[in-house]
Amino acid sequence: EVQLVESGGGLVKPGGSLRLSCAASGFTFSSYSMNWVRQAPGKGLEWVSSISSSSSYIYYADSVKGRFTISRDNAKNSLYLQMNSLRAEDTAVYYCAGPTVVTPGGWIDWGQGTLVTVSS
Amino acid sequence: NFMLTQPHSVSESPGKTVTISCTRSSGSIASNYVQWYQQRPGSAPTTVIYEDNQRPSGVPDRFSGSIDSSSNSASLTISGLKTEDEADYYCQSYDSSNVVFGGGTKLTVL
Repeated sequence: EVQLVESGGGLVKPGGSLRLSCAASGFTFSSYSMNWVRQAPGKGLEWVSSISSSSSYIYYADSVKGRFTISRDNAKNSLYLQMNSLRAEDTAVYYCAGPTVVTPGGWIDWGQGTLVTVSS
Repeated sequence: NFMLTQPHSVSESPGKTVTISCTRSSGSIASNYVQWYQQRPGSAPTTVIYEDNQRPSGVPDRFSGSIDSSSNSASLTISGLKTEDEADYYCQSYDSSNVVFGGGTKLTVL
């Protein structure tokens, strides 16, 4: 059974930084792409970023390009999202999603989400 | 980038059948798989359809997906509606460098 568990969310001031983590289990993590998706309060789902199995291919939504960095550690079965220069509009629940065969692609499994609040 | 357009809301009675559409603005709907996600209030999304028409294990066969190249759209059909099907539904697809979600459809079962 695939399990995706996010952590690292919290309250941060505008302009600050935060690093989210996603611990994956139940599949061969190093063989699949992974994704981050977010959902602002009362809004729809928004794709944030995708990373291929070996980190060779990385894609970002325009809204986070240049501020967020996706990465992974296949030895630790973990996915990360480094978020810098945070803005109020980055306030959202962030979901880890995958595994994905192609990059970008669709997926079946989701984590439970971690809340990021950007406020002074 | 392309867009996926869904109706904002649909409603139907228990036991009936409802279909939610998802229209791709540019590029062929058949060029990349479409997924459908269900999200109940306060919960994380779950997948009800992947790769256009495949159901994950545990999803009842009341849920089905299809694509129509003539209208460049995908559809999610839920038959034998139950009150527990009341939720937001999102379609999703992708191209060579982006993942795109539809705006979501609120399904009310009344």
